[in-house]
Amino acid sequence: EIVLTQSPGTLSLSPGERATLSCRAGQSVYSSKLAWYQQKSGQAPRLLIYGASTRATGIPDRFSGSGSGTDFTLTISRLEPEDFAVYYCQHYGSSPFTFGGGTRVDIK
Amino acid sequence: QVQLVESGGGVVQPGRSLRLSCAASGFTFSGFAMFWVRQPPGKGLEWVGVVSYDGTNKYYAESVRGRFTISRDNSKNTVFLQMNGLRGDDTAVYYCARAFGGTYFSGLDPWGQGTLVTVSS
Repeated sequence: EIVLTQSPGTLSLSPGERATLSCRAGQSVYSSKLAWYQQKSGQAPRLLIYGASTRATGIPDRFSGSGSGTDFTLTISRLEPEDFAVYYCQHYGSSPFTFGGGTRVDIK
Repeated sequence: QVQLVESGGGVVQPGRSLRLSCAASGFTFSGFAMFWVRQPPGKGLEWVGVVSYDGTNKYYAESVRGRFTISRDNSKNTVFLQMNGLRGDDTAVYYCARAFGGTYFSGLDPWGQGTLVTVSS
């Protein structure tokens, strides 16, 4: 099983600032099959990034993903008020398709 | 538009069974693998299991293997999660989600709104 560790647990930032979220895998993620999701309070998660770096349909270009192997990053270039939420990474290269523990992005 | 609607949640006693349904619309259901993911109150996401587009292949998390079964009826555009031997730590919001690329080797999009299962005596 691939364990995904997300850091930090909470990120406190102001609108307009840059957010950098990390997702580290316990072993290499096959073919960069890693996704990022955003979950706002009381809502279902939404796919942001797949294939480690490809934005899903309708996702603003302030969201970007990078990385390969065991280290992946989600960057939000300039935080908008609607971006304050919890973010999860997930690998889907092999079963079990585990999620990371999440990073909460809070308003400072 | 693509839509997933879960149903069947509720309060159930430990050891009992419950079956969740997820009705799909707006896409060719028979062409996509389908996932179940759960989220205990106030906690993170946990992958539960997945079924292939034709129902022949299924994978489960260790925590539910042998107790939970995923099935699908492509004629009714519906995927099911049969949960037996329920325990307190199965209490969660249960989401169904589509493997947007078709196979289970792709991200999950979209997700349903979720249905709450509470296991309590």
